Amino acid sequence: KAGVTQTPRYLIKTRGQQVTLSCSPISGHRSVSWYQQTPGQGLQFLFEYFSETQRNKGNFPGRFSGRQFSNSRSEMNVSTLELGDSALYLCASSPEGSGRDTQYFGPGTRLTVL
Amino acid sequence: KNQVEQSPQSLIILEGKNCTLQCNYTVSPFSNLRWYKQDTGRGPVSLTIMTFSENTKSNGRYTATLDADTKQSSLHITASQLSDSASYICVVRAMTTDSWGKLQFGAGTQVVVTP
Repeated sequence: KAGVTQTPRYLIKTRGQQVTLSCSPISGHRSVSWYQQTPGQGLQFLFEYFSETQRNKGNFPGRFSGRQFSNSRSEMNVSTLELGDSALYLCASSPEGSGRDTQYFGPGTRLTVL
Repeated sequence: KNQVEQSPQSLIILEGKNCTLQCNYTVSPFSNLRWYKQDTGRGPVSLTIMTFSENTKSNGRYTATLDADTKQSSLHITASQLSDSASYICVVRAMTTDSWGKLQFGAGTQVVVTP
């Protein structure tokens, strides 16, 4: 089975711009979660989607949004980029997102905001 | 305050030596604890998962222990190899929810194995 894929792998944007990141989960997985990883903060939960519905959301401003399509692929959007948004954005998928499910992470998208 | 604290922050060890990483948590009620390995430039990969009733779990040269009474876990790496150089992240899940949103992540321990 192919793993979780994320595109693009690297992205450079300037302040004020917006960006859309894409995640394709492992085939058959219905839960997709997004995380922001920075050196100082570690992994921080952004949101989780399950069957096209946002099931939970972390403590991030409304500039961060996402969606999930019927094929379980997910996109994350960040509007009005700030310097502090520079980070590795990780997507993870799991079959149902509960119990002893293992989350499988993608390689991440490295976003740099100048 | 972070509910999952890892120590040390970083560690340098010689190839072939053993090392132990620590994870202390306050998450309650406890469901399970995972150790992830994250190579530079890659996403984390699950090494072990332990529930309340499990106090030891091995995956090759990696052995995780859990003391649910003291809320402590350790990850022991035996006979380290250069490929063990990575960040090791402790992740604790609370019992009360099925959502990934309530996972608590440690900041990770950066391990560097030198020849």
